[in-house]
Amino acid sequence: RKEVEQDPGPFNVPEGATVAFNCTYSNSASQSFFWYRQDCRKEPKLLMSVYSSGNEDGRFTAQLNRASQYISLLIRDSKLSDSATYLCVVNEAGGYNKLIFGAGTRLAVHP
Amino acid sequence: GAGVSQSPSNKVTEKGKDVELRCDPISGHTALYWYRQSLGQGLEFLIYFQGNSAPDKSGLPSDRFSAERTGGSVSTLTIQRTQQEDSAVYLCASSSPQESTDTQYFGPGTRLTVL
Repeated sequence: RKEVEQDPGPFNVPEGATVAFNCTYSNSASQSFFWYRQDCRKEPKLLMSVYSSGNEDGRFTAQLNRASQYISLLIRDSKLSDSATYLCVVNEAGGYNKLIFGAGTRLAVHP
Repeated sequence: GAGVSQSPSNKVTEKGKDVELRCDPISGHTALYWYRQSLGQGLEFLIYFQGNSAPDKSGLPSDRFSAERTGGSVSTLTIQRTQQEDSAVYLCASSSPQESTDTQYFGPGTRLTVL
């Protein structure tokens, strides 16, 4: 079983749609969770951290369910510029801040 | 300010040759990480530096891979006797103790192609 699993997609949605990505992780001791965004042939960039209380940044909402070891990202009112690969990332418990990346979920927003 | 830089941006080499990849972290960032990303795959951790020491090198795939960091700044990743399966994008990231140590900033990567 992979340490971080995501639906690879692709998700093809029209502008203005709401889309949700899910992710599960295997290490119950993990403490920190993130969503990164990666554009084609570019480096990953931090989109947002994920907290147990849930957090929102504009059109983006991230949720963490520790009991289910499940992380989600909701994007509302999708824009063309949201097209990218979204990486679910977990900080390895007890490690040296080593990040464990999911393989990513591709999102394509069309007009 | 300047972000993480890596060189070369692209490297094409022949099987069996050695290659060196360079990473310049953000100034003042004491932690430095190397990852690699194969086509269509997620990022795979290779090695972590704190200052010039590498307390976690558990991700290096074989003894053909080595890395060093000098002056608490620049790091080089060396791959000896390259194989075709080494073809990937090699990404470097750095982080600062002044910020949340969880936030890693990535360089643009070096795309390595082994023919």
